[in-house]
Formats: sequence, structure tokens, C-alpha cells
Amino acid sequence: NAGVTQTPKFRILKIGQSMTLQCAQDMNHNYMYWYRQDPGMGLKLIYYSVGAGITDKGEVPNGYNVSRSTTEDFPLRLELAAPSQTSVYFCASSYGWVSGELFFGEGSRLTVL
Amino acid sequence: TQLLEQSPQFLSIQEGENLTVYCNSSSVFSSLQWYRQEPGEGPVLLVTVVTGGEVKKLKRLTFQFGDARKDSSLHITAAQPGDTGLYLCVGTGNQFYFGTGTSLTVIP
Repeated sequence: NAGVTQTPKFRILKIGQSMTLQCAQDMNHNYMYWYRQDPGMGLKLIYYSVGAGITDKGEVPNGYNVSRSTTEDFPLRLELAAPSQTSVYFCASSYGWVSGELFFGEGSRLTVL
Repeated sequence: TQLLEQSPQFLSIQEGENLTVYCNSSSVFSSLQWYRQEPGEGPVLLVTVVTGGEVKKLKRLTFQFGDARKDSSLHITAAQPGDTGLYLCVGTGNQFYFGTGTSLTVIP
């Protein structure tokens, strides 16, 4: 039982490049989330999904895009990378909406130069 | 945006000492969760408190939810190097609200 799997673990991008962070969970959770973690700022919600085909913006969605074609996968797309997107990104899932435990992936450290 | 303030932000103590981490807000939450995050890993749930005034113990860790369900504390007795990590409080309402985090280092 792998839980939540994120790839890649590390990535360096140049300004203006694009990339996709992959996230997959094998717990059959309907609810999935993308967060970014910056020092001293806690975790900020970028996008979330309540099920396949349904996504919505969180607190800091600008510069990102998501899709949810299956229950298992929730990729995060960065278009035209900017230095402000340098951060650690976490994908998470939960069984219920804002209830129960959040299960996190190991994180993806992204640096934009 | 509701914000949970944690204090202290950084804490470095000797093995065997006691410590308390505070999580405060002006907002009421349905429940309060505490997570621990180790370097290079995602946060892992330690406990959920639901009722105002509730106290939960997890070995040497004691968690308390404030009577008004706006604040919480985490007390660690006789800290060990394995307690080192980032402690995050998370309030639940219409979304998960993350605290600013407390980075704890326990020196052997």
C-alpha cells in the first residue's frame, strides 16, 4: 500500500519553462489537494478536487493548473515558471471533505532560476 | 483567510527537557489536528481533538483543545532526539487551515 506518491522529488526550472508534478494515491480517496510550503508560512492550498472531473481553486492558484481524470491521479501543471514558484509542493488526499486524516506525499522541491 | 499562529517558531532544547507548543487563532474550529513533519517527508497526523477542553495523551505527548475551540497546545515531556521535526497544527472548518509551524530540535 503506497499511499500518496509524488514525482519528481526535486526539479530545477528556468524562468518561463513549464512542468507537471505528478501525484497518485491508491487509497480510493475522493478528495485530493495540492499545497505549497514556504518557510514560516505553513501550507497554502493551491487547488483541490472532490472527485474525478471536479476541481476548484484554493488560496493561491495563480500560475498553476490541475486536472482530475481518474480518482487516483491529480497532476499539478506549472505554466511559465517564475521565481515566486520556488517552493516545496505537497499532494495530499483524504477520505472525507475536511474531516479525518490528511495523507501526504513526500513532497516535490522545485527551484526556479 | 483564517490563520493559526504557532509559537514558538523555533525551539532548540536538550534531551530530557519539557516543552510546550502553542497554536492560537481568533476563529472557532470544528476540530484541531496536530501533524509532525520530518525533513524530506510529508506531514504525518499525530492526533485529532474535537471537543472543547479535550485532552489527549500519546505516550510523552499531551494535546489540549481550548474550551472555546480556538486554540490548542502540545506538551512534550522528557523530549528525545526522535521528537525533532516540524510540528503543524491544523484547524478544520470549511477547509483545512494550517498553522505557521514550530521547528523543534532536540539535542542529544
